[in-house]
Amino acid sequence: ETGVTQTPRHLVMGMTNKKSLKCEQHLGHNAMYWYKQSAKKPLELMFVYNFKEQTENNSVPSRFSPECPNSSHLFLHLHTLQPEDSALYLCASSQESQGVYNQPQHFGDGTRLSIL
Amino acid sequence: GESVGLHLPTLSVQEGDNSIINCAYSNSASDYFIWYKQESGKGPQFIIDIRSNMDKRQGQRVTVLLNKTVKHLSLQIAATQPGDSAVYFCAARKGGSYIPTFGRGTSLIVHP
Repeated sequence: ETGVTQTPRHLVMGMTNKKSLKCEQHLGHNAMYWYKQSAKKPLELMFVYNFKEQTENNSVPSRFSPECPNSSHLFLHLHTLQPEDSALYLCASSQESQGVYNQPQHFGDGTRLSIL
Repeated sequence: GESVGLHLPTLSVQEGDNSIINCAYSNSASDYFIWYKQESGKGPQFIIDIRSNMDKRQGQRVTVLLNKTVKHLSLQIAATQPGDSAVYFCAARKGGSYIPTFGRGTSLIVHP
């Protein structure tokens, strides 16, 4: 079973639609992340949840709204998106312990989002 | 802040050759480094990592070298195979943080 699963794999939506991206991790990790990946740019961190608490919000527009109901599930709710929001949205998870930070993130295969 | 960059956007090699992908980072407080491989249509896949108390670490056909003096790390792939064709990128993490900074990728193209 894949460690980090994202659905849907592809999503085409109009600017006025509301949709949600889902991520589920089966690794027993306690931290989850949303990243945006655009062509020829480094990964952009959007949100971080550690023990279900949001700890980072990197100036992401309010049209993106994360939700983390438990340590295994992460959602990204989308509303009134713009064409420049078209990108690959990646979810990742990692195991973070107090004072021990040397653990790699594990990624899902992403949702390819296209805004019409 | 931290910036992480790769030296070449594209690297072409012949099958069987050794490949070297280089990465530079800016923050001397970075103490943990990770290499990822991303194939077309897939998410980044963890390859190998290295902590700042080491200067070399080996995996299966891959070696990561870390030079803290010049803030440079490299990924070496031995006997490159067509299945190694992908985008490779490095990430650096500052001590005390679990949030890495990612570099842009280097696209490795392996010619049969």
